[in-house]
Amino acid sequence: DVKVTQSSRYLVKRTGEKVFLECVQDMDHENMFWYRQDPGLGLRLIYFSYDVKMKEKGDIPEGYSVSREKKERFSLILESASTNQTSMYLCASSSGQGQNYGYTFGSGTRLTVV
Amino acid sequence: AQSVTQLGSHVSVSEGALVLLRCNYSSSVPPYLFWYVQYPNQGLQLLLKYTTGATLVKGINGFEAEFKKSETSFHLTKPSAHMSDAAEYFCAVSSPYSGGSNYKLTFGKGTLLTVNP
Repeated sequence: DVKVTQSSRYLVKRTGEKVFLECVQDMDHENMFWYRQDPGLGLRLIYFSYDVKMKEKGDIPEGYSVSREKKERFSLILESASTNQTSMYLCASSSGQGQNYGYTFGSGTRLTVV
Repeated sequence: AQSVTQLGSHVSVSEGALVLLRCNYSSSVPPYLFWYVQYPNQGLQLLLKYTTGATLVKGINGFEAEFKKSETSFHLTKPSAHMSDAAEYFCAVSSPYSGGSNYKLTFGKGTLLTVNP
């Protein structure tokens, strides 16, 4: 089975801290994605990457950056955390070969910024 | 640009009743369509997908969905609800083309399904 592993299930950070959310996949997938999920808003795409060192902005990139130095790892960075970034963060990966068969998701990181 | 509308943020059914969760999409070309399920405090799990071919697709846990191009719909159904079906369900759409940003999924806002005993 494809596995997408997010390093933390729960995080509590202070306003202004630099926060790193880590995501690792083990199936050699080309594409990786970061979403945030908020009640009533569904999933919103923050950033995605379809190759190592490649990244593209999603729908809500403000306040976030990403890093993909290795194919299996995609990190989301909150440069200076704010309370409005309290949310559930979901990482996903997919194959970049042929048809889009959909994503495999990690279990999520629930981030609280105080 | 693609978009997804899920009608009804909350659907409540009795155990054993029909489950119908509605999804309509907007796309300039016939897209690929997906349904995901999310149980509490978990990530999303793929239920079923439509890419090409037969328009009625069957997924896990007895769910199925039918792609209706004329109605731009992809509604999710299950003949008989079970308590374990209580979860949030997301419809999603992607481009049918391969490469780069075509692999993005655009999600609806979700429908919370409650199953009453």
